[in-house]
Amino acid sequence: EAEVAQSPRYKITEKSQAVAFWCDPISGHATLYWYRQILGQGPELLVQFQDESVVDDSQLPKDRFSAERLKGVDSTLKIQPAELGDSAMYLCASSSTGLSTDTQYFGPGTRLTVL
Amino acid sequence: GQNIDQPTEMTATEGAIVQINCTYQTSGFNGLFWYQQHAGEAPTFLSYNVLDGLEEKGRFSSFLSRSKGYSYLLLKELQMKDSASYLCAVRDSNYQLIWGAGTKLIIKP
Repeated sequence: EAEVAQSPRYKITEKSQAVAFWCDPISGHATLYWYRQILGQGPELLVQFQDESVVDDSQLPKDRFSAERLKGVDSTLKIQPAELGDSAMYLCASSSTGLSTDTQYFGPGTRLTVL
Repeated sequence: GQNIDQPTEMTATEGAIVQINCTYQTSGFNGLFWYQQHAGEAPTFLSYNVLDGLEEKGRFSSFLSRSKGYSYLLLKELQMKDSASYLCAVRDSNYQLIWGAGTKLIIKP
């Protein structure tokens, strides 16, 4: 069964350091999402890609966060510099077309702890 | 503003039935999703409703009433492995998913 891959699974860093997360969506899925989830809350969309183009990054803190999907396949989310409040689960999801009937499938997530 | 409401926590007994409610107020409606999320893991897809009525899938069923802005997830023959958070999410008129905070379901023997 096809799955969304993410790495690393866990990341511990000190504040002001740079961190990067990687995601490989299900093969053939054109739409890729990065979410942040704080314990006890629902996922918060950070950025949505359609192929290599950004569709929505309205909630991405652009002063410190960046995301790219250069070839329209895998994607990287970067935080520089990391702050204590960035500690959370970072989830990547993909869907086939991004249309209303589409289901988003999630990767295992990266648990980030900022010290 | 857009809002999804779910109970924060529910407790049920192994073998019993539990209903988790979700009410929503969103700008437009293009479907409602239920996801299961075990502690420390990613959400996994359970069900999708876009028309009014009941969708049944094994031990899990999901109901939707668009006029009432209401859905529920029904879990039958509860097992200990069903202990998890259950997330309700609505796709709005911009095709964005609006997520609830989730309902933590505790199953007791």
